[in-house]
Amino acid sequence: QVQLVQSGAEVKKPGASVKVSCKASGYTFTSYYMHWVRQAPGQGLEWMGIINPSGGSTSYAQKFQGRVTMTRDTSTSTVYMELSSLRSEDTAVYYCARAAAIWGSLEGHNWFDPWGQGTLVTVSS
Amino acid sequence: DIQMTQSPSTLSASVGDRVTITCRASQSISSWLAWYQQKPGKAPKLLIYKASSLESGVPSRFSGSGSGTEFTLTISSLQPDDFATYYCQQYNSFWTFGQGTKVEIK
Repeated sequence: QVQLVQSGAEVKKPGASVKVSCKASGYTFTSYYMHWVRQAPGQGLEWMGIINPSGGSTSYAQKFQGRVTMTRDTSTSTVYMELSSLRSEDTAVYYCARAAAIWGSLEGHNWFDPWGQGTLVTVSS
Repeated sequence: DIQMTQSPSTLSASVGDRVTITCRASQSISSWLAWYQQKPGKAPKLLIYKASSLESGVPSRFSGSGSGTEFTLTISSLQPDDFATYYCQQYNSFWTFGQGTKVEIK
């Protein structure tokens, strides 16, 4: 079955960077786009960006431009999300989520299914 | 950017009630809308895509409707497992979520 398994919880100091991984299994890794979404404590869902695992092209939400980098390793079927210049407001659960269908683009027209289990990133001095 | 507005933010209901959640888009998104259910400490789960298509394995008491800018998620007869937070998501132009609707026990 399709499964996304994320790396464990992280605690970082303000100004540091964090890199979260998402290992995919149960399908052809390069056939489906992958998204990253975050959720601050008690808050809603916020889309961060998308990566095409086939060629590595990306599209980021404007809010995170310049601070986020999404990469992939096709040899291990893993995508990564690195967020830099961390501040307390970045404390959140970070989810990877696969595009549900093979069509769509880096600009829309695909919904999310399934999701990873989430990774809590805590930013605190 | 396309903004998504859900209403209500919180909904108190009893088992067996018919529940409706509304989601409005700031501009037309055709039928490019999905609904997710999230329980505390868990990842969101897909319920509905393309505004009205039921995801495989999701109970038929869930249904979605609408197009353009106005959409609804209906639970025909609320079950104990349905108490959760529900999010709409547009995927017409990039991706945006509504702020969520918490369905709680009355």
